[in-house]
Amino acid sequence: KAGVTQTPRYLIKTRGQQVTLSCSPISGHRSVSWYQQTPGQGLQFLFEYFSETQRNKGNFPGRFSGRQFSNSRSEMNVSTLELGDSALYLCASSLARDRPGELFFGEGSRLTVL
Amino acid sequence: GNSVTQMEGPVTLSEEAFLTINCTYTATGYPSLFWYVQYPGEGLQLLLKATKADDKGSNKGFEATYRKETTSFHLEKGSVQVSDSAVYFCALENKAAGNKLTFGGGTRVLVKP
Repeated sequence: KAGVTQTPRYLIKTRGQQVTLSCSPISGHRSVSWYQQTPGQGLQFLFEYFSETQRNKGNFPGRFSGRQFSNSRSEMNVSTLELGDSALYLCASSLARDRPGELFFGEGSRLTVL
Repeated sequence: GNSVTQMEGPVTLSEEAFLTINCTYTATGYPSLFWYVQYPGEGLQLLLKATKADDKGSNKGFEATYRKETTSFHLEKGSVQVSDSAVYFCALENKAAGNKLTFGGGTRVLVKP
């Protein structure tokens, strides 16, 4: 069974640009969550989608957005990039609502903002 | 609000040594508690979990007991291997928050042969 797939794995952008990251969850998983991992702030929750609806959102500015498609694939977008957005962005999928917190993570997309 | 505090690393051990990583939490209600592990170059993997007070989670020789009286969920392993070298994250999920996990800062463990 294929795991959570994130693309691209690495990318470099400059300040002011925007970026879109993609996540394909494990087949059958309908919940997709996104986390930002940085050395200074650690792992922080961005948002969660379930059946194309945003179910939960973390404390990030509106420049961070996401969506989920009918096949459960998800994208997140960061507009007007800032240096502080450099991070590893992790996507995680989950099978069912009755097992909250049991997440399957991808390897992440490492974003560098210059 | 919710928060998780875990001991800072790195923790350096010799093979077959005993490992303890302390984790304490602050949360409203009755959260579920988790340990995740991140091996070099990989995403996080769920190591074990406990969903109510006095539950003991265990997996791959690791154990952690949900102690509500001390708001703790310390991770232990009796005999570590080089392959246990990784970063370990304690996390909680407040049942009202779905898959929104609150993570500790992570503890890097290095096991030397």
